[in-house]
Amino acid sequence: ILNVEQSPQSLHVQEGDSTNFTCSFPSSNFYALHWYRWETAKSPEALFVMTLNGDEKKKGRISATLNTKEGYSYLYIKGSQPEDSATYLCAPGRVFGNEKLTFGTGTRLTIIP
Amino acid sequence: GAVVSQHPSRVICKSGTSVKIECRSLDFQATTMFWYRQFPKQSLMLMATSNEGSKATYEQGVEKDKFLINHASLTLSTLTVTSAHPEDSSFYICSASPSQDTQYFGPGTRLTVL
Repeated sequence: ILNVEQSPQSLHVQEGDSTNFTCSFPSSNFYALHWYRWETAKSPEALFVMTLNGDEKKKGRISATLNTKEGYSYLYIKGSQPEDSATYLCAPGRVFGNEKLTFGTGTRLTIIP
Repeated sequence: GAVVSQHPSRVICKSGTSVKIECRSLDFQATTMFWYRQFPKQSLMLMATSNEGSKATYEQGVEKDKFLINHASLTLSTLTVTSAHPEDSSFYICSASPSQDTQYFGPGTRLTVL
């Protein structure tokens, strides 16, 4: 069983501020890291799939970096907006979607208007 | 993006009864679907991998006779919680993937067993 840790477990950020949080995972036998955003009462939504050490991906105001050698990924949100309030999950797994994922407990982000 | 639906969204049942949860891929075919369970303040835990036309693959510690999975078509997988007990109360969520793409999740099913 993979040990996937996310920190912090929760945080509150003022609207307009930038923030970031961490996903730690075993660096051995790494294939890919998936990031998901899960808004209340909705389905988890895929944000990124990252595979290469040093990878950086961006989607609007959200970006993520990957360090496979030390086993961590950062997710950054620039200029937080209320719609960014959600739980952000990371999951190491294979690259392809038809392979199983192991999820961390998530970081619950609340944006304060 | 691809859409996955689940039904029902909420179910309350009496102890000892069985409950069936459906997971459908609405605009793509999925030979593989996944069933997860989430207890309060815990992560999504994979229960089993549902394979179209063959037996499901269960994770360690998940009772296959308790959680029956049927993946009879390329767009539908069902999870039946048999003889449900209060400890089975949880949030069950499925996911599916068009081949070589990320996983798309359903909205989940909240099961409460009285």
